[in-house]
Amino acid sequence: DIVLTQSPALAVSLGQRATISCRASQSVSISRYNLMHWYQQKPGQQPKLLIYRASNLASGIPARFSGSGSGTDFTLTINPVQADDIATYYCQQSRESPPTFGGGTKLELK
Amino acid sequence: EVQLVESGGGLVQPGSSLKLSCVASGFTFSSYNMHWIRQAPKKGLEWIALSYYDSSNKYYADSVKGRFTISRDNSKNTLYLEMNSLRSEDTAMYYCAKGGMGTRDWFAYWGQGTLVTVSS
Repeated sequence: DIVLTQSPALAVSLGQRATISCRASQSVSISRYNLMHWYQQKPGQQPKLLIYRASNLASGIPARFSGSGSGTDFTLTINPVQADDIATYYCQQSRESPPTFGGGTKLELK
Repeated sequence: EVQLVESGGGLVQPGSSLKLSCVASGFTFSSYNMHWIRQAPKKGLEWIALSYYDSSNKYYADSVKGRFTISRDNSKNTLYLEMNSLRSEDTAMYYCAKGGMGTRDWFAYWGQGTLVTVSS
């Protein structure tokens, strides 16, 4: 299985930039498709899709969220961070079955 | 508006069975792959099962293979997960999620989840 590694937590100040990283144990890219996706989960809620295929913003997601990366290294950026963005963020790969998730990065206020 | 509503969770004893349901609306259910994903308390997300749009293919995580069965009834817009031989480590929130029309899915929509607790 492809293992996705995320830092457990990240502390940021409101209005600043947050950069959340996800590293895969092997490439999750196929030709021009980077098969890494990002989700936001707030306490007591289901996950919500933010970014698909590394850099595509899901429907209804604010433009302060963006994604980048290819191969094994991917980044979710939130700029500027707002209070409503305090949550846990998960990456997920669909390059190989089974689909796997990172352990999640909890975004906290500094 | 896409909606996924799970039901069927509860408190059960180890070794018992349970069947979860997920009713879908707001999209053409019969055209999309559907998944079950779970989350143990205070833990991360674990994908557990996939049914292709036409039930032609089904895939399972090793952790549930041989114990859980995914199925769907496209006439009822409903996805199911039959869980047998339940263990304490199956305790989790179970989400159904809408996939894509091909392989290599991301999970565009999730239900609110149904909680399964396995305990004596």
